Formats: sequence, C-alpha cells, structure tokens
Amino acid sequence: ETGVTQTPRHLVMGMTNKKSLKCEQHLGHNAMYWYKQSAKKPLELMFVYSLEERVENNSVPSRFSPECPNSSHLFLHLHTLQPEDSALYLCASSQERGGAETQYFGPGTRLLVL
Amino acid sequence: GQNIDQPTEMTATEGAIVQINCTYQTSGFNGLFWYQQHAGEAPTFLSYNVLDGLEEKGRFSSFLSRSKGYSYLLLKELQMKDSASYLCAVRDEDYKLSFGAGTTVTVRA
Repeated sequence: ETGVTQTPRHLVMGMTNKKSLKCEQHLGHNAMYWYKQSAKKPLELMFVYSLEERVENNSVPSRFSPECPNSSHLFLHLHTLQPEDSALYLCASSQERGGAETQYFGPGTRLLVL
Repeated sequence: GQNIDQPTEMTATEGAIVQINCTYQTSGFNGLFWYQQHAGEAPTFLSYNVLDGLEEKGRFSSFLSRSKGYSYLLLKELQMKDSASYLCAVRDEDYKLSFGAGTTVTVRA
C-alpha cells in the first residue's frame, strides 16, 4: 500500500466502549498528526508526534489517548466518549514538523458515538 | 487564536472559472496551503504559497498577498470532478497548521 492508511473507515461505539483507531504511513515520514473534522467546522489539530515523541497536545480531553510506537504507526485510543465526539478523525504525516513540506492525509475514520 | 475565513459554498458551470478567497489572521506566517477534499475522502494537497504572487499548476492557480492576509485559489476550465470542498490552511509561527472551514464547490453541467 502507498500513502497514509487508516482503519477502521467507519466505527460506531457506545459511550462506555473502548476502541482504537489506527493510522499507518508508507511515505518514510518523521511526523504524524491526528485531526478532528466535524461537519461545517475547520479541521482541529489534536496531537502531533515528531520522531515518535509527542510534541503537541491541543487541550484534548483525556478520553482521547494517542500512541506512536514507531515512525510509521499512530494510534488513537478512545474511552468513554461523548456523542459530541462523533466526527471524522483524520491522520496525516509529513517529512518533518517544521519544514516547508506539506502534510499527507489518510482517508479518515468516521466515528459515531451513541 | 487563529482566524481563517473562506466562503461556505460556491456554484459554477462546467468549463467556467471559479475563484475561492481566503483571508487569515494568524500569529506569524510560514506558508499557506490549499487542499481539495472530495466527500468521504482524504484532503489532498493542491498548492503552497509562502511568497507573494501567483503559483500556477495546470488548471489550478493560487495567489498570496501577505500584507493583506489574503489568498485565492483559481480553478479554470471547471470539470464535474472538481466538485469538492476546498480547504485553506495557514501555518503559523509555531509551524502549526490552522484550517478554514472549507468551501464546497458544486460544478453544474
């Protein structure tokens, strides 16, 4: 596979469930990102990992827990979510965090919290 | 916080030209990006401007004026497949990307 892949593509979960979103990049990049995209709202940056270290946490509630075991993989662990957390969760990667390069996005996981 | 404004929706006819404006107010500036996002798909990179002026890439062009905090994306010879959401994003002094809410372009036959 090429580019950035995300699984699952769709997820329905109850407020008491625990689930994980997975992202994998096949581009040899060093930085990875989680974004939240709600309907008619701008993409919101959630977390940034650079060289497998978390360098950004944009005041995201603790019910979202990221994990970056290596430079190719990024997870978002979900626990006791709220209905307002229903959104499209996008993963992205880039060569490095501060350079002139662009970010490449995965197709996203469409999450519905009941 | 960062403020990035773009129109919500635009409609145009196949073969026509559409210009999507984006204005921004951010803490510092390290480049402006345009992305295209088809429904249910990933945003894909279209263009990058860091200096004033026009960047042309085939049917798509992007313009930047840093002094005015203004950019536009110009789509020429519109095709049905150009129907999508177009996202303006600005990288600030901390190299964080902030996005506008996106402009949905509908191309009609």
